[in-house]
Amino acid sequence: EPEVTQTPSHQVTQMGQEVILRCVPISNHLYFYWYRQILGQKVEFLVSFYNNEISEKSEIFDDQFSVERPDGSNFTLKIRSTKLEDSAMYFCASREIAANTGELFFGEGSRLTVL
Amino acid sequence: AQSVTQLGSHVSVSEGALVLLRCNYSSSVPPYLFWYVQYPNQGLQLLLKYTTGATLVKGINGFEAEFKKSETSFHLTKPSAHMSDAAEYFCAVSEWNAGNMLTFGGGTRLMVKP
Repeated sequence: EPEVTQTPSHQVTQMGQEVILRCVPISNHLYFYWYRQILGQKVEFLVSFYNNEISEKSEIFDDQFSVERPDGSNFTLKIRSTKLEDSAMYFCASREIAANTGELFFGEGSRLTVL
Repeated sequence: AQSVTQLGSHVSVSEGALVLLRCNYSSSVPPYLFWYVQYPNQGLQLLLKYTTGATLVKGINGFEAEFKKSETSFHLTKPSAHMSDAAEYFCAVSEWNAGNMLTFGGGTRLMVKP
């Protein structure tokens, strides 16, 4: 069964360092997302991406964050200068169709720990 | 603006007992409602969803949920809990005019006792 894959599964970094989280969405999907979950808190929307551009972003997604689809398969989330409060589980998701009744398929997450 | 409240961050049931996980939402327009499950060290998996039509929806693993507009609720139930149901469950809402965004509740961790 097709699945969304994320790497790395866990990354530890020093505050101020740049981090890139990678995702391979399901191949025929058109919409891509990043969500995050700080330990013990809600899963929060960060950004959605369609047709090679951001379609929506939340207040969390400030100038420190960027997303990119560098080739036909990968979808990356970059955090330029990490802060302690960026420590969280980051989930990538993809969806096949335009309608938001469509199921989001989530990856297993990348746990980021900022020291 | 849409929001989701899950009552009870932890629910414990005995194996074979009824599972009831509560979800209430607020939405200014008819919502689309989802339940996701997260098993340990895994991603979020869709259990079931309500978009339109029949208000009682059935999902995988014997779970079902009923959309009650008057109560703004979408509670998740399963008649008989199994040990393998132990996981974190998330209710989520999406509005038809809110673009792509899913708004999640805080999650409920279900524990099943033998």
